[in-house]
Amino acid sequence: SQQGEEDPQALSIQEGENATMNCSYKTSINNLQWYRQNSGRGLVHLILIRSNEREKHSGRLRVTLDTSKKSSSLLITASRAADTASYFCATAFSNDMRFGAGTRLTVKP
Amino acid sequence: EPEVTQTPSHQVTQMGQEVILRCVPISNHLYFYWYRQILGQKVEFLVSFYNNEISEKSEIFDDQFSVERPDGSNFTLKIRSTKLEDSAMYFCASSGWRSQETQYFGPGTRLLVL
Repeated sequence: SQQGEEDPQALSIQEGENATMNCSYKTSINNLQWYRQNSGRGLVHLILIRSNEREKHSGRLRVTLDTSKKSSSLLITASRAADTASYFCATAFSNDMRFGAGTRLTVKP
Repeated sequence: EPEVTQTPSHQVTQMGQEVILRCVPISNHLYFYWYRQILGQKVEFLVSFYNNEISEKSEIFDDQFSVERPDGSNFTLKIRSTKLEDSAMYFCASSGWRSQETQYFGPGTRLLVL
């Protein structure tokens, strides 16, 4: 299966700390995307990293991609209570995108 | 900022009934998708659509499901005869000129089959 699998399943940190979530996948990809979902709501796109890229930044987000290990990580720096959500990685190869089960991040004020 | 919209936000139906979920993708996008998320589970790909035809579908997307772009703006998912296990949140998404670009998701339709 091409889909990503996130690790850990749940993460609880204090406001101001950094949060790191990992994603592993099994097959070739064109790109890997990270999404965020607040409880019961839609998916918000955070960042896309292509298979020929190794690192990407967007504000407090830093994403890395290691295609040799078929893994990616999402780092949220200086976390805020509003960052509390589920975070999913999604891998794309052709015309579909496969999501992992997500990491549930809780940031305590 | 342009966004994907979906209607209705919630739908309750009886088992065996047909439902149509509607989506208005971002206007200049060419690729359209449906996903579903059963409560507490991962988001699952159903189907992708480009140039008025299905380009890829998952094993979930069986003969009970169909998609259509009836006009220049709407993109619909029809479930012909709903089952209890079809209860889920259904998300529509669209992306631009390349299918592997960022997909923008709608807010979802929560379907409950009784």
